[in-house]
Amino acid sequence: EVQLLQSGGGLVQPGGSLRLSCLGSGLTLSTSPVSWVRQAPGKGLEWVSAISKTGGSTYYTDSVEGRFTISRDNSKNMVYLQLDSLRADDTAVYYCAKGEVASTYYFDYWGQGAQVAVSS
Amino acid sequence: DIQMTQSPSSVSASVGDRVTITCRANQVVTNRLAWYQQKTGQAPKSLIYSASFLKGGVPSRFSGSGFGTEFTLTITSLQPEDFATYYCQQYHTYPPTFGGGTKVEI
Repeated sequence: EVQLLQSGGGLVQPGGSLRLSCLGSGLTLSTSPVSWVRQAPGKGLEWVSAISKTGGSTYYTDSVEGRFTISRDNSKNMVYLQLDSLRADDTAVYYCAKGEVASTYYFDYWGQGAQVAVSS
Repeated sequence: DIQMTQSPSSVSASVGDRVTITCRANQVVTNRLAWYQQKTGQAPKSLIYSASFLKGGVPSRFSGSGFGTEFTLTITSLQPEDFATYYCQQYHTYPPTFGGGTKVEI
């Protein structure tokens, strides 16, 4: 069964940092681009960041550019999202989402989500 | 960024009903349109890609149509497990963008 297993998240003060992890299970994640999508409380879905299959290309939405860093370790079947300089409006559930090989931004599988709460 | 607008924002329906959700883009996205289902407290799940192709394992009561800027998701014979919020998403133009969601209440 194909699964994306997430870990990380938690409560952090403004200005703090967290790292989210996404492990591919039942699939070789290295063959796919991966994105992170977040959902603020009671709100809709917002694409945050993406990384190419090799990790050679990364993309960010404007609001997180320079604060978040996406990376991957294909030897471990893992993708990461480093969240720095966190702000209250970064509070959300963060999902990793696997892009289809032919369409980077069509998400055929999603992780279970990780809660990130930014508050003093 | 391309704006995706869904209507209605919520709909109440009964088991066995036919439900249609509309998604409009403010620019042409050809058929690069996906639909996702999200149940309360769960991650989104892919239902349809390329506007009308059902992902494997998705019940055939779900169908999608449209091209360009206007798309529909139809659920024929609504089932109790279909209570969820549905999102459309365009992946024609970077960055990918989602509609605001349609909550289907049974």
